[in-house]
Amino acid sequence: DSGVTQTPKHLITATGQRVTLRCSPRSGDLSVYWYQQSLDQGLQFLIQYYNGEERAKGNILERFSAQQFPDLHSELNLSSLELGDSALYFCASSSYGTGSNEQFFGPGTRLTVL
Amino acid sequence: AQKVTQAQTEISVVEKEDVTLDCVYETRDTTYYLFWYKQPPSGELVFLIRRNSFDEQNEISGRYSWNFQKSTSSFNFTITASQVVDSAVYFCALSPDNYGQNFVFGPGTRLSVLP
Repeated sequence: DSGVTQTPKHLITATGQRVTLRCSPRSGDLSVYWYQQSLDQGLQFLIQYYNGEERAKGNILERFSAQQFPDLHSELNLSSLELGDSALYFCASSSYGTGSNEQFFGPGTRLTVL
Repeated sequence: AQKVTQAQTEISVVEKEDVTLDCVYETRDTTYYLFWYKQPPSGELVFLIRRNSFDEQNEISGRYSWNFQKSTSSFNFTITASQVVDSAVYFCALSPDNYGQNFVFGPGTRLSVLP
């Protein structure tokens, strides 16, 4: 158990809908990262927050947004969902915001868009 | 640009065989970190090791060992006396030591250990 929690574990929805994925980092970790894992794209970094502020953006679509709250939990919002958004979404946390720190991953949320 | 290549898409071995998973990386940074993660069939990503660019010492942890060679930009992972529980997808990742810079993962190698 990495100490990172993600809810829900599974999510099934329809095209055009909006969903929110939630992540709670390990106790004491200030950085939260979001990744998308799909068969054709592999593990893709989406976005990073550090202590409430956006720190880095990766291959995140404009239909997607995220935020980190004062209690350090984070939410990833996916809107106008398309079939291609079906994937496993991971949240990870680390102590700080630098690349030297290993990231600890949550169990993931499997999103299926029908 | 940073890039991680894991040329072996899938490997199958029989239990107790040794197996090496290859990882080749590209970066222009002088300070960077390399990682290996394991993704078992259950789906979670498990951290295995971190190595910084200034430490080329090989590391051994039980049946696992890692060979870091800057000269060939490789960070290979060997499992000795493989076991069925080692069956998983293994990812190599690269990260610079900067705020706001993030992991670049390789495509992964799927290891199947057959009984």
